[in-house]
Amino acid sequence: AQSVTQLGSHVSVSEGALVLLRCNYSSSVPPYLFWYVQYPNQGLQLLLKYTSAATLVKGINGFEAEFKKSETSFHLTKPSAHMSDAAEYFCAVSGGIQGAQKLVFGQGTRLTINP
Amino acid sequence: EAGVAQSPRYKIIEKRQSVAFWCNPISGHATLYWYQQILGQGPKLLIQFQNNGVVDDSQLPKDRFSAERLKGVDSTLKIQPAKLEDSAVYLCASSFTGDTEAFFGQGTRLTVV
Repeated sequence: AQSVTQLGSHVSVSEGALVLLRCNYSSSVPPYLFWYVQYPNQGLQLLLKYTSAATLVKGINGFEAEFKKSETSFHLTKPSAHMSDAAEYFCAVSGGIQGAQKLVFGQGTRLTINP
Repeated sequence: EAGVAQSPRYKIIEKRQSVAFWCNPISGHATLYWYQQILGQGPKLLIQFQNNGVVDDSQLPKDRFSAERLKGVDSTLKIQPAKLEDSAVYLCASSFTGDTEAFFGQGTRLTVV
């Protein structure tokens, strides 16, 4: 079974500051890990994914995440926040090759950018 | 490339009424998912189809929810009768078989009053 914990339901940063959104996972099989972004009244858009290749994954809009097996973490970062980054962010895990493609999502983190 | 299409975008019904949602996946995507997203929570898988067969419906409340995917393309999700706690956004997603990336539609926001 898989589960995801996102630390912090709300994160607020200043424009130009570092963005760090935390995600810890639990999985009984080698996991695949994902970060999705959701803008108001929209569906989910994939930011990036880890599928057992490079542990540092680069995604769209300048975001990246690092898979750390020893810490069971997959934190999302962006060096410099932009106003357009304000949205809800979801970390998700799937069972990799063995677990088909069912995604288990965290509770989400709402990112606010202050001018 | 057209994305996942869902309709309606919004629906308001009274409790004990029935409602149906429609989803058209991306062309060629054999796998289709329905997720329920309650306000303030992450999406939760309700049902997963592979072509027109059900792969996982373990979290579908089968006493009131039903879903079908006739001909392995479009899908409908039905709730009958609806309860207040069914108020949520219902997201449809699709993917190629064996692919790790699922593409999501904009969702249907259901309000049960």
